Amino acid sequence: SAVISQKPSRDICQRGTSLTIQCQVDSQVTMMFWYRQQPGQSLTLIATANQGSEATYESGFVIDKFPISRPNLTFSTLTVSNMSPEDSSIYLCSALVVSGEKLFFGSGTQLSVL
Amino acid sequence: SQQGEEDPQALSIQEGENATMNCSYKTSINNLQWYRQNSGRGLVHLILIRSNEREKHSGRLRVTLDTSKKSSSLLITASRAADTASYFCATDQNTPLVFGKGTRLSVIA
Repeated sequence: SAVISQKPSRDICQRGTSLTIQCQVDSQVTMMFWYRQQPGQSLTLIATANQGSEATYESGFVIDKFPISRPNLTFSTLTVSNMSPEDSSIYLCSALVVSGEKLFFGSGTQLSVL
Repeated sequence: SQQGEEDPQALSIQEGENATMNCSYKTSINNLQWYRQNSGRGLVHLILIRSNEREKHSGRLRVTLDTSKKSSSLLITASRAADTASYFCATDQNTPLVFGKGTRLSVIA
C-alpha cells in the first residue's frame, strides 16, 4: 500500500507562466508516472519519471514543455511550462510500489489556465 | 499501445440496482485491473484479475474476464449513491498501464 501526497490540489494560472506540481510517496516505489486527464476524458500518460536521470516521455510530450524531476525514489515534480489554456487539465501522479502490480494515485492537480 | 475500451460511456441507475460495465481490449494481457475515480480526483484501485482467472469477487464487486473475447465486465451489486463515479479498466502487457475512456456511473437515491 502507498499514500501519495500531491500538491497543489488546484491552481488558476495566467498564460505564459509555469507551475510545478509535487508528488511525495510514503513508501518504497519502483516506478513513478505522470498522467494528464482532460475534462471528461481518459488518462493520457505524459512520462515515466526516472530516478536520477531524464524522464521517458510519451509521444506528443516533450521535456521543454513538461520537465520532470525525480531526485530520489519517493519524490517527483512535474512542471507545466509556458502555459496556455490548452494545458487546462487534471494532472495525476502515480506510483508502482515494490513488488506491486497496481498503481497508486495522488489526488490530482486541477489546473486552469486563463 | 493497447487500450481498454469501456462501455457504456455513461450509465444511470437507481439505488439498489446492479450496475454492469464492460471493457474490451486488443492484445494479450497479463492482467486486467479496474479503477474508480470520484469527481476527477485520483484513481483508486478496485480489483485485479489475472489472465488465467475467469472470475473474481471483492465485496459487492464481481469481475469476469474472457480472454478468448478479450473482454471483461465489472458488476456492482446493490448499488449505492456513493458508488457514483467513473470506472476505468486498465490492461498491462508492459508497464505502465494504459487506461480506457471510462464509464460514468450515476446512482440515483
